[in-house]
Amino acid sequence: SAVISQKPSRDICQRGTSLTIQCQVDSQVTMMFWYRQQPGQSLTLIATANQGSEATYESGFVIDKFPISRPNLTFSTLTVSNMSPEDSSIYLCSVEGATGATEAFFGQGTRLTVV
Amino acid sequence: GQQLNQSPQSMFIQEGEDVSMNCTSSSIFNTWLWYKQEPGEGPVLLIALYKAGELTSNGRLTAQFGITRKDSFLNISASIPSDVGIYFCAGPIQGAQKLVFGQGTRLTINP
Repeated sequence: SAVISQKPSRDICQRGTSLTIQCQVDSQVTMMFWYRQQPGQSLTLIATANQGSEATYESGFVIDKFPISRPNLTFSTLTVSNMSPEDSSIYLCSVEGATGATEAFFGQGTRLTVV
Repeated sequence: GQQLNQSPQSMFIQEGEDVSMNCTSSSIFNTWLWYKQEPGEGPVLLIALYKAGELTSNGRLTAQFGITRKDSFLNISASIPSDVGIYFCAGPIQGAQKLVFGQGTRLTINP
């Protein structure tokens, strides 16, 4: 499985500011995914990021709030914009398994607290 | 949309006991995945199931893909303290590469 590194691992941010989370993979992957995990909750998909095209957002998530970059096949960023306390969550980067496989592998996550 | 209902939501057991949790859906899934998440970490894939009726083991963990393709269960035998964590089932949304997750089962073990 791929090794996925996320930075930062945690942060405390002031409301109204923005935070960019980085995800680096040790191998080239076609699809990268960003999830949100609110406190005590399950994982919810924010968007799918493919290299060379705009990210595809799930219902309830918009590009203005969660802009995503995917400049190459090993890297992606998620920005949480104009943060409010409700954005306090764990944000997780994920990549697909082997070609054709449906399992996904995750980074260690970024624990964000907005004050 | 496709949803996964996982139960129980939490379990409190004694070390050495066996554990069973399950995941159901009103929709058919072609793959069932079981993950474990420990505090401060991302989910780690434990077992992947690809065929209805399939029974797969990974050490003390055993998972089955239900015949109807609408359910799956995960068993842990002879639990140990390091089994503590949250266990999630997941499956791919039909026609897409993305996953939907169950609500999770939080496992607590009393030594």
